[in-house]
Amino acid sequence: AQTVTQSQPEMSVQEAETVTLSCTYDTSESNYYLFWYKQPPSRQMILVIRQEAYKQQNATENRFSVNFQKAAKSFSLKISDSQLGDTAMYFCAFIGNNNAGNMLTFGGGTRLMVKP
Amino acid sequence: DTAVSQTPKYLVTQMGNDKSIKCEQNLGHDTMYWYKQDSKKFLKIMFSYNNKELIINETVPNRFSPKSPDKAHLNLHINSLELGDSAVYFCASSQRTMNTEAFFGQGTRLTVV
Repeated sequence: AQTVTQSQPEMSVQEAETVTLSCTYDTSESNYYLFWYKQPPSRQMILVIRQEAYKQQNATENRFSVNFQKAAKSFSLKISDSQLGDTAMYFCAFIGNNNAGNMLTFGGGTRLMVKP
Repeated sequence: DTAVSQTPKYLVTQMGNDKSIKCEQNLGHDTMYWYKQDSKKFLKIMFSYNNKELIINETVPNRFSPKSPDKAHLNLHINSLELGDSAVYFCASSQRTMNTEAFFGQGTRLTVV
């Protein structure tokens, strides 16, 4: 079974600064997919960024980038130039290639507060 | 157009009642899901379903059952509601064969009193 761990329950950052959210996972599979989802106070789950394990290049989406360390089973999210609208819960998630139901396994989440 | 829509957004009901939450997706995806988010924000899969198979998380009580009238809909039926069922329930969909990300509905906050 896969597990996903987010060791930072809460974090805060000043507007315009950079923050990194940590995520580690455990799996015996060689190919899989990792995601970061954002959940603002509106409750909607929004995909932030996606990484395929067989791709060595770290994914980037505008101000969001990941540091994917496959050997260490680490998948951190970096938010640059933080904005007030980035305030939300952030969830790291995993899908294994052998997952029959294509079901996401989530970490416990990190609550990020961006301060003006 | 909303890609994955759930109704209702809020549901308050008494213990022992039976209730349903509806979900529809217009993305043409072949797989739909139900996730539960508890009071500590922890998200856990309940069901994965496509037209070929239903996969149930073994921890889900059999009072919960998914019903799919067609490929675009996956409703959640809950019998004999208990206080511990209070949570936010999310419907989601994805294209399973491509291992793509899941798209989520806006969630239904269920409160059992």
